[in-house]
Amino acid sequence: DAGITQSPRHKVTETGTPVTLRCHQTENHRYMYWYRQDPGHGLRLIHYSYGVKDTDKGEVSDGYSVSRSKTEDFLLTLESATSSQTSVYFCAISEGAGFETDTQYFGPGTRLTVL
Amino acid sequence: DAKTTQPPSMDCAEGRAANLPCNHSTISGNEYVYWYRQIHSQGPQYIIHGLKNNETNEMASLIITEDRKSSTLILPHATLRDTAVYYCIVRPYNNQGGKLIFGQGTELSVKP
Repeated sequence: DAGITQSPRHKVTETGTPVTLRCHQTENHRYMYWYRQDPGHGLRLIHYSYGVKDTDKGEVSDGYSVSRSKTEDFLLTLESATSSQTSVYFCAISEGAGFETDTQYFGPGTRLTVL
Repeated sequence: DAKTTQPPSMDCAEGRAANLPCNHSTISGNEYVYWYRQIHSQGPQYIIHGLKNNETNEMASLIITEDRKSSTLILPHATLRDTAVYYCIVRPYNNQGGKLIFGQGTELSVKP
């Protein structure tokens, strides 16, 4: 299994509070991704990173920001959590984005509940 | 991205081969077929992918039809631990930052 850890694994927070989720990888892969999974919507891409300090938006980026100051860490921040952000969050990594290097491997997930 | 169609659920007897079909009739020439699975409450797990040739690894075999409009994932000797939702995904290679579009998948139940 790819060396991906996510922390925390479970979190309950209140509306309006900031929340930061961490993804850590030991594979030295260039690309990292944040998805959320909700019933009826499957997995949806929030943000991704193609290198240190290089990030871009996915399809559901509103209300989220990311940062990547080191190759191994990709942080997802909810500046002011809302109940609609209650979800399971998955981090993924890939070696690259080209031929035979873009297979994505997923972490174990973080279950976030916003009350 | 091309769409895929999978049966919503399937059963398989433990020890028998599980054959999971996927229709991707609008696939483009530069698109791979990927298979992932998700065991309850876990992250999606990569299984296998292919472009136009059949592929095999330690987990499964992937059979892609000659016209590439459909494929079958084969788990040769299913075990109870293979019970999961299986997702067939098509995506282009050289897809920088490309998201994976997970459809509804097939819920495979392996029974004793």
